[in-house]
Amino acid sequence: QKEVEQDPGPLSVPEGAIVSLNCTYSNSAFQYFMWYRQYSRKGPELLMYTYSSGNKEDGRFTAQVDKSSKYISLFIRDSQPSDSATYLCAMKAGFQKLVFGTGTRLLVSP
Amino acid sequence: DTAVSQTPKYLVTQMGNDKSIKCEQNLGHDTMYWYKQDSKKFLKIMFSYNNKELIINETVPNRFSPKSPDKAHLNLHINSLELGDSAVYFCASSQGQGTGESNQPQHFGDGTRLSIL
Repeated sequence: QKEVEQDPGPLSVPEGAIVSLNCTYSNSAFQYFMWYRQYSRKGPELLMYTYSSGNKEDGRFTAQVDKSSKYISLFIRDSQPSDSATYLCAMKAGFQKLVFGTGTRLLVSP
Repeated sequence: DTAVSQTPKYLVTQMGNDKSIKCEQNLGHDTMYWYKQDSKKFLKIMFSYNNKELIINETVPNRFSPKSPDKAHLNLHINSLELGDSAVYFCASSQGQGTGESNQPQHFGDGTRLSIL
């Protein structure tokens, strides 16, 4: 079993939809949770960074962490075609290495 | 004003050759990393350096040798390239905690696409 599980998709939605992206994990020591967006032929770009449980909002993006369920989510409101990319969750325990999910490919159609 | 830059962007070479990839960051970070992303988009750490010192070495074959001349640069040299080395290699950086490790978010370059013929 991988430490971090993420549905590879693709997830196809119409423009304006609310998108929900999720990851589950098995290591209860993970404390720092990140979401990265990766466009084709580009490097991962940090979108959200949260510590421990709770919600964090930044514009159209909301990150949720539920440590009791070992489940994290990224919500995108009013999705745009420019949001089409691969979304990678990543997490770490203290000063340990960063562990990535396999990424979910999102397609937002006009 | 690119934050983390890698050269070259593309590298096509034959099996058995030796090649190097360079990475530079202008973010003032003291921790740098090399990652490998395979054909299924899975990103896995290979090495991390803090202030020119090796911190993480994830059981990477010793054909791969990172070198950090200063904290803004981390290069990757690969000897005797094999078909399985074909992948995208990403450099990243973050601000450490002075203990050799970092819990700060990492910032990535745009990758070097290595193809072995």
